[in-house]
Amino acid sequence: KQEVTQIPAALSVPEGENLVLNCSFTDSAIYNLQWFRQDPGKGLTSLLLIQSSQREQTSGRLNASLDKSSGRSTLYIAASQPGDSATYLCAVTNTGNQFYFGTGTSLTVIP
Amino acid sequence: DADVTQTPRNRITKTGKRIMLECSQTKGHDRMYWYRQDPGLGLRLIYYSFDVKDINKGEISDGYSVSRQAQAKFSLSLESAIPNQTALYFCATSDSTRDRAIYPRTGELFFGEGSRLTVL
Repeated sequence: KQEVTQIPAALSVPEGENLVLNCSFTDSAIYNLQWFRQDPGKGLTSLLLIQSSQREQTSGRLNASLDKSSGRSTLYIAASQPGDSATYLCAVTNTGNQFYFGTGTSLTVIP
Repeated sequence: DADVTQTPRNRITKTGKRIMLECSQTKGHDRMYWYRQDPGLGLRLIYYSFDVKDINKGEISDGYSVSRQAQAKFSLSLESAIPNQTALYFCATSDSTRDRAIYPRTGELFFGEGSRLTVL
């Protein structure tokens, strides 16, 4: 069974800092990887989707990379803002069309 | 209006009661999912449906049932609620994509705002 791990579970940074969130998965036979943002008590908002044939995707201050062979993805957030405070989750889909989620990294950006 | 709408957003009920959570979507997606989220356990799949005639169990389907009434509607039922079913429930949708592979694959996943269920 695919296992997805996100370390650290929590991260606190000062405003303006660039930061990297990590996601690792055990089975490299994935179809795509998706990063989400979740605010407390709210639903998940899709941030970026990377297909297995892609190495990275960018949206504004966000850049997600994918290294299938090593089972890793990173989400880079540039010039962090207090509004970026949320929990960030990654999920992978395998060839069986199941989604496997990490437990997330809780990010706090301190003004 | 939200693309994926869940009702009710909050519900408090008692042990043994029947509960239905409803989900409707305007994205035109063929695939719909029900997840529950518990602190420290992440998101776990309850049921999923790839089209109106297709229903599949997820990893934690015991105690739950679903109905896909139309392409846009997917409801989750708890026939006899118990306290350990207290959780945040999410409906999600995705489209299927067909590339060079023989079979369709799942595209980007979109979530509703969630239904918080408390079973006393």
